[in-house]
Amino acid sequence: SQTIHQWPATLVQPVGSPLSLECTVEGTSNPNLYWYRQAAGRGLQLLFYSVGIGQISSEVPQNLSASRPQDRQFILSSKKLLLSDSGFYLCAFDRGTSGVSNEQFFGPGTRLTVL
Amino acid sequence: AQSVAQPEDQVNVAEGNPLTVKCTYSVSGNPYLFWYVQYPNRGLQFLLKYITGDNLVKGSYGFEAEFNKSQTSFHLKKPSALVSDSALYFCAVSGKLIFGQGTTLQVKP
Repeated sequence: SQTIHQWPATLVQPVGSPLSLECTVEGTSNPNLYWYRQAAGRGLQLLFYSVGIGQISSEVPQNLSASRPQDRQFILSSKKLLLSDSGFYLCAFDRGTSGVSNEQFFGPGTRLTVL
Repeated sequence: AQSVAQPEDQVNVAEGNPLTVKCTYSVSGNPYLFWYVQYPNRGLQFLLKYITGDNLVKGSYGFEAEFNKSQTSFHLKKPSALVSDSALYFCAVSGKLIFGQGTTLQVKP
């Protein structure tokens, strides 16, 4: 069966420190991968998506970056965190076939607090 | 541009009563529509989707949604609400999913 993992579950970081959040998918190949941020428990903002290894599209310009070093691994990074980077970060995947009609499967999320 | 609107921040219903969570959309071309549910501090879970065919779509946990092309709506429904249905519900439209702002459903015993 397909599963998606994210870690860490919670993270408290000082302003200006680096960030690395990891997401891995099991049970499927060539998935489309996504990073979202959810602020204040409400709407989701798409940050990055990837249709293949090394292929990253950025939806919102900011001090975050993403990488996909392996087919089922997606990493969200920052060199220097800002207070505004606090939020709930969700990784998701879909099967990558049949384009836009596939539902997405979400990881458990990472709660990031920047102090 | 594609967009989704959930006009209600919160919906309150009594356990056992029917529930409706509203969603309207704006897309060019054929819409692919989704509903997801989120429990506190968890990721989103897929409930159901409309791609084509029957306008009434049945999904997980007894939920269903009705696609109405003339009203550009895709409301989520359940005939009898449970306290355990209390959560945050999101409507979304594809391709890269565009989410509504979410509706908090509170089911009171």
